[in-house]
Amino acid sequence: AQSVTQLDSHVSVSEGTPVLLRCNYSSSYSPSLFWYVQHPNKGLQLLLKYTSAATLVKGINGFEAEFKKSETSFHLTKPSAHMSDAAEYFCVVTGNQFYFGTGTSLTVIP
Amino acid sequence: DGGITQSPKYLFRKEGQNVTLSCEQNLNHDAMYWYRQDPGQGLRLIYYSQIVNDFQKGDIAEGYSVSREKKESFPLTVTSAQKNPTAFYLCASSKDQRRRVPNTGELFFGEGSRLTVL
Repeated sequence: AQSVTQLDSHVSVSEGTPVLLRCNYSSSYSPSLFWYVQHPNKGLQLLLKYTSAATLVKGINGFEAEFKKSETSFHLTKPSAHMSDAAEYFCVVTGNQFYFGTGTSLTVIP
Repeated sequence: DGGITQSPKYLFRKEGQNVTLSCEQNLNHDAMYWYRQDPGQGLRLIYYSQIVNDFQKGDIAEGYSVSREKKESFPLTVTSAQKNPTAFYLCASSKDQRRRVPNTGELFFGEGSRLTVL
C-alpha cells in the first residue's frame, strides 16, 4: 500500500534562511514521488519529481529534494527562503493512484 | 498554451440545489481527476476517469456525479445529496497510466473552483 506522511503541518523560517519540509513515504513499489506547491486559492504547481533516476532532484525556484530509500524519505529543501515561497506544500507518492500528504504550510518571516 | 481550465472560480449554491463545475483540458491527456480540498485535510479523490466514457469512484464519491463524454471535458456535479459541499474543488489530468504502476507522470491542475453553500 502507498501512503505519505508530511511530518510538519506548519513551518516558519526567516527570509534568507534554509527551508526543510519533511516527507516520509510508504510504497509497495519502487515509488514515484512529487512535491507540489499551492498558493492561496490557486491550483497545485509541480515543484519537482523523482522517478527512479538521480536521487537528488532539482526543481523550480531553487528547490531540491533527495530520495533516500533506506529512510523512506523525500525531504524538500531550499538554501535561502524568499517571501514568495510562503505557500502550502504537498508531498505525493504514486502507486495505481496519487496519494497526497496533508500538506505543510510554510511561513516566511521578513 | 496547454492547460486545464476550471469554471466558475467562485460559486454559491442554495441548499437543495445541484451545481455543475466545469473542467476542460487541452493537454491531450487520457486521465482526469476531481479532488476536494478542505483545510487541514489535504486533497481527497472524488472521481477519476482514465478513458472516455469510463470513470471510477474515488474515496468520497457520495453526493457527486461525473461524466466523460469527450476526452477534453470532465464536469463534476455536486448534488443535493452531498451533505457538506462547501469546499475548494480541483480538477487535474495526467497521461494514460493504466499500464504502468506506479504512475510516473505528474498531475496537472486547474486553478480550482470554490463552492459555498448559503
